[in-house]
Amino acid sequence: ELKVEQNPLFLSMQEGKNYTIYCNYSTTSDRLYWYRQDPGKSLESLFVLLSNGAVKQEGRLMASLDTKARLSTLHITAAVHDLSATYFCAVGSGGATNKLIFGTGTLLAVQP
Amino acid sequence: DVKVTQSSRYLVKRTGEKVFLECVQDMDHENMFWYRQDPGLGLRLIYFSYDVKMKEKGDIPEGYSVSREKKERFSLILESASTNQTSMYLCASSLYLGGRNGYTFGSGTRLTVV
Repeated sequence: ELKVEQNPLFLSMQEGKNYTIYCNYSTTSDRLYWYRQDPGKSLESLFVLLSNGAVKQEGRLMASLDTKARLSTLHITAAVHDLSATYFCAVGSGGATNKLIFGTGTLLAVQP
Repeated sequence: DVKVTQSSRYLVKRTGEKVFLECVQDMDHENMFWYRQDPGLGLRLIYFSYDVKMKEKGDIPEGYSVSREKKERFSLILESASTNQTSMYLCASSLYLGGRNGYTFGSGTRLTVV
């Protein structure tokens, strides 16, 4: 059974600092997704990573995937308050249905 | 852009009531999903459907059922609501199961069972 773990669960950081959120998963998969959720809102797709070594960047966020280590990272560069949100990773479960299994989320609070 | 619409943002229902949560998508997606979201537990899959009238159980189907009579509409039914079903419910759709573009989510329904 596929399990997806994120850490940390909560991250408080100062504006201008860098940090990384980690997403580990337990079984082989070649599909990993990052989503953002603002309070009271739905999930917004950030990145789709479909191969080993894939790296994608959008603004201050950069996501990477290492399928051999079963690890994805979401790196935040020079954080700003607008990045405060909950970030989820999700992994394709494979097989005939290949449904997405989500991590527990990381609540990011960027302090001025 | 794909639009996934959930009919209610907030619902308050009494214990034992039958509750219907409706979800409609407008991009002819084959696959639709219902998740519930609880603090510290992330998103957990309740049911999904990969075609009209086809459905499969997710990880936590107990106490729920679903209906998909038309491609664009996927309903989640709580047969007899209980307080432990108080949660945020998120509907999603995708062209492919676990596909290249992931899922598109609706805005969510926050259900309170009293």
